[in-house]
Order: sequence, then C-alpha cells, then structure tokens
Amino acid sequence: AQKITQTQPGMFVQEKEAVTLDCTYDTSDQSYGLFWYKQPSSGEMIFLIYQGSYDEQNATEGRYSLNFQKARKSANLVISASQLGDSAMYFCAMREVSNQAGTALIFGKGTTLSVSS
Amino acid sequence: DTGVSQNPRHKITKRGQNVTFRCDPISEHNRLYWYRQTLGQGPEFLTYFQNEAQLEKSRLLSDRFSAERPKGSFSTLEIQRTEQGDSAMYLCASSPLTRLGTDTQYFGPGTRLTVL
Repeated sequence: AQKITQTQPGMFVQEKEAVTLDCTYDTSDQSYGLFWYKQPSSGEMIFLIYQGSYDEQNATEGRYSLNFQKARKSANLVISASQLGDSAMYFCAMREVSNQAGTALIFGKGTTLSVSS
Repeated sequence: DTGVSQNPRHKITKRGQNVTFRCDPISEHNRLYWYRQTLGQGPEFLTYFQNEAQLEKSRLLSDRFSAERPKGSFSTLEIQRTEQGDSAMYLCASSPLTRLGTDTQYFGPGTRLTVL
C-alpha cells in the first residue's frame, strides 16, 4: 500500500533562513508523482511544487525546491529565505495509482512551520 | 481566473440533520475531487468525478454520504443524518485532464462542518 510519512510535527526557523521539511514515501509503483501543499490557518490547500518519479532533475518553484532522492524514497521540501508568511502547515502527498481510485492524493500528517522575526 | 470555490465556508448543524455542500471547480477542469480533513490529519480522499461521471465512490465514509455533479460543472456533497463524528473540514479540488501523473489538484477553501 502507498504511504506518506512526515516525521516532523513542528519546525521552527528564523526569517531569511532556509528550512527543510522531510517526507518519505512508500510505493511499489515505478511511475508516481509527489506534491507539496501549504495550508495556512485559513484552511485552503495551496499547491507548491510537483516532482514526477521519472524527472531527472529536482523540481524548483521560486523559493521552493524539492530534494528528490529516489533510492531513499524521500522527497524533502526546501524553502529558502523563509518569510513570516511561510508560517503554515505543509503537506507532502503522493498521487495514488490505482484503477479504483483514479487520481486521488494520499497525504502525510503534515508539518507545522513557524517562522519568527 | 477564479479558483475553486466552496459554499458555505462554515456550517453548524444538529445531529441527525442533513447538510449539503457545494463546490464550483476551475472552469476548464474536467476532474473534481472531495476530501475530508479532520483535526491534525492530512486530507482523506472521498470521491471523484470526471465530467459528470462519478468514477470512484467506494471511499465515501458511509451510505449517508453522497455526491453529485449533474452537468459536469459544480458538485454537491450531501451528508444525511449527520453524526458528531462527521465534524471536519470538507475540501474540494479540481484538476485538468492531462497525461497521467501531472494533473495537479487545486483546492478550494473548504467547508468546515460542526455537528452539535
């Protein structure tokens, strides 16, 4: 069965510093997709970045980059130059590959990031 | 370019009442998904539509839950005879129909349900 594990319940970082949020996954599929979402206190899930299993380079989107280590089944999110507005819950997710579940996402339990000035 | 919208944003109801939530996806998106999120957890998939066809509904939590997308545009999620355990955030997402693996889902703001 596919599974996403986020082992850091909370992370603290100061403004302008970089922070890494950990994510490991478990799947027997060769083709899969990994996503990171940000959820502020307002509740909306905001898409940040996507990594396909066959992508040769790590994905980057502005201050966000994904440190994809396929052999270790990890897909850590790196946020550079943290800002106060980055304080939120962050979820790692995997696209569920199953004929019965379409393109559902499986989420981890999330990591709460707190950025201080 | 508007995002996914959900109404109402908050719903308080008494146990045993029926509730219905609406989701309006991004206009050009063929796929629409419903998730439930309880406190301290990540979202949990419930069901999804491709256009008006409900292609997966086995994950709906019980037969009290049902969803429709009659014209392939907006969708409704209904919970009948609500129970206190139904209290959660209900999230809707939509995605375009693209090649496998890159159909990024964009979420709405959610409907927070409280059952008293």
